[in-house]
Amino acid sequence: AQSVAQPEDQVNVAEGNPLTVKCTYSVSGNPYLFWYVQYPNRGLQFLLKYITGDNLVKGSYGFEAEFNKSQTSFHLKKPSALVSDSALYFCAVRVSSSNTGKLIFGQGTTLQVKP
Amino acid sequence: DAGITQSPRYKITETGRQVTLMCHQTWSHSYMFWYRQDLGHGLRLIYYSAAADITDKGEVPDGYVVSRSKTENFPLTLESATRSQTSVYFCASMNSLSTGELFFGEGSRLTVL
Repeated sequence: AQSVAQPEDQVNVAEGNPLTVKCTYSVSGNPYLFWYVQYPNRGLQFLLKYITGDNLVKGSYGFEAEFNKSQTSFHLKKPSALVSDSALYFCAVRVSSSNTGKLIFGQGTTLQVKP
Repeated sequence: DAGITQSPRYKITETGRQVTLMCHQTWSHSYMFWYRQDLGHGLRLIYYSAAADITDKGEVPDGYVVSRSKTENFPLTLESATRSQTSVYFCASMNSLSTGELFFGEGSRLTVL
């Protein structure tokens, strides 16, 4: 069965410092991996994805993520955090061979960036 | 560029009543999904649809019914609402399996008293 784990309920970081939000996954087959961000009372917004190719993926708002097949991880990173990055972040996965497109989501990590 | 819209955004109902949450997308995406978001559970898939007239169950389908007579609409019906169905419901669409990312609506917050 597919699953996604986000081991931290909350990550706190000071503005200007680098941030990492962790994600590990379990699938049978090649994964498609995604990061989404959710601001209060809003829907989820797509940040970036890994389908194939370069393990380092760059996305919106200066975020990037690194696909690590051996560690089955897809951690979200940003070199310099902004207060406006404070939000709820979700990692999601599906098997590349899936014919349904269903994404399995992690439980989410709240990122708090303090001035 | 309307995208994907959900209505109502907020709904309060009573146990046993029927409730329908609407979802409309303007992109003609083939795939559509309904998720519910609950604290501690993240997002869980209720139902999905690969095309008009094709629907299938997700992870938590009990108590819900969907239909998809037109590509652009994917309503979710709670036939007899229960308190455990108090949640925030998100509709999403996807253009193709090769691109993969979902586009979400703003959500419908449902409270069942």
